[in-house]
Amino acid sequence: KQEVTQIPAALSVPEGENLVLNCSFTDSAIYNLQWFRQDPGKGLTSLLLIQSSQREQTSGRLNASLDKSSGRSTLYIAASQPGDSATYLCAVRHTGNQFYFGTGTSLTVIP
Amino acid sequence: DGGITQSPKYLFRKEGQNVTLSCEQNLNHDAMYWYRQDPGQGLRLIYYSQIVNDFQKGDIAEGYSVSREKKESFPLTVTSAQKNPTAFYLCASLAENGELFFGEGSRLTVL
Repeated sequence: KQEVTQIPAALSVPEGENLVLNCSFTDSAIYNLQWFRQDPGKGLTSLLLIQSSQREQTSGRLNASLDKSSGRSTLYIAASQPGDSATYLCAVRHTGNQFYFGTGTSLTVIP
Repeated sequence: DGGITQSPKYLFRKEGQNVTLSCEQNLNHDAMYWYRQDPGQGLRLIYYSQIVNDFQKGDIAEGYSVSREKKESFPLTVTSAQKNPTAFYLCASLAENGELFFGEGSRLTVL
């Protein structure tokens, strides 16, 4: 069964720093990988979707990469801001429309 | 605006009661999902539906029931058989490009 791991579980950085969040998965036969943001008490907001044939996707200050063969994805956040403070989750999709989620990285950006 | 609407946002249940959580989407998506989120755990799949009048059990379906009579609606009933129903419940739908969208969630508390 697919297992998705996100390390570290929590991260605290000063404002302005560039940072990388990690997501690893055990089964490389994925359809795509998606990064989400979750604010306390809220639903998940989609940030970036990477199809299995793609290597990376970018949106504003966010860049996500995918290395299927090694079972890894990274989310790069440039010039972090206090408003970026949230929990970031990754999810992989298999055929049959099944999704597997990591437990998330809780990010705090200190002003 | 297109999106997923979950209601109620907060719900309190007494022991022995059934409660129903509503999930409505106007995104014209075929597949819909219900997840449960507990502190420190990843999202766990309760039920999913690929198409109207069809649904499948997920990993933790015991004590829950669903229906899919309309494309737009996928209500979840938490029955009295669910032994530990206090949790945050998230509804999602799947776009054709493989992107998963979530509602704002419903928090259920057992009194």
